[in-house]
Amino acid sequence: IAGITQAPTSQILAAGRRMTLRCTQDMRHNAMYWYRQDLGLGLRLIHYSNTAGTTGKGEVPDGYSVSRANTDDFPLTLASAVPSQTSVYFCASSDGSGSYNEQFFGPGTRLTVL
Amino acid sequence: GQNIDQPTEMTATEGAIVQINCTYQTSGFNGLFWYQQHAGEAPTFLSYNVLDGLEEKGRFSSFLSRSKGYSYLLLKELQMKDSASYLCAFMDSNYQLIWGAGTKLIIKP
Repeated sequence: IAGITQAPTSQILAAGRRMTLRCTQDMRHNAMYWYRQDLGLGLRLIHYSNTAGTTGKGEVPDGYSVSRANTDDFPLTLASAVPSQTSVYFCASSDGSGSYNEQFFGPGTRLTVL
Repeated sequence: GQNIDQPTEMTATEGAIVQINCTYQTSGFNGLFWYQQHAGEAPTFLSYNVLDGLEEKGRFSSFLSRSKGYSYLLLKELQMKDSASYLCAFMDSNYQLIWGAGTKLIIKP
C-alpha cells in the first residue's frame, strides 16, 4: 500500500451497535488524526495522536475512542452508535505536529447510523 | 473565541480567474492552509502561508494578511477539473487545524 488507507469504505449500522473504523498509513508519519465531515460544516477533529502510544481529544470526542499501539494504525471506535454519528469520517496523518503540518488524508468512510 | 469563514459557493468561467476569500479570528496562529476536495474524495493539500504575502505555485496562488485575519486563494486559467470545494484552515496555538466549511467552486464552459 502507498499512503493512507481506511476501511470500510461505507457502512450502514444500527443504533446501539459497536463499530471500529480502521486507518493505516505506510509513510511512517508520527501524527495521525480522525475528522468527521458533515454537510455545511468544516472538518471537525475527533481525536488525534502526536506519536505512537499517545492520544488526545479534539473538538468533538464524545462517543468515540481511539488507540495508537504502533506508528501505522489508528483505529476509531464508536462504542454505541447513535444517528448523530452519521457522517463521513476521514483519517489523516502528518510527518510532524509542529507548525508546518501538511496532512495527508485517507479516502474516507461513509457511515450511516439508523 | 475562534472562527473561520469562507463563501459557500462561487461560479466562474473556464479560462478565467477566481479569488476565494477566507477570514479568520484566533488568539493563536501558526499558519493558514488551503486544501482542494473533489466531490466524494479526500482533501488534498494546496498551499501553506505563515508569513504575510503571496505564495505562487503554478496556476494557484495564496495570500495571507495576519493583521487582517484574511487569506485568499487565487486560481488562474480555470479548467473544468478545478471544479471542487476549496477548504481554508488555520493552525491554532495547539497546532490543531480549524477548518472552514469550504467553498464549492463551479466552473462553467
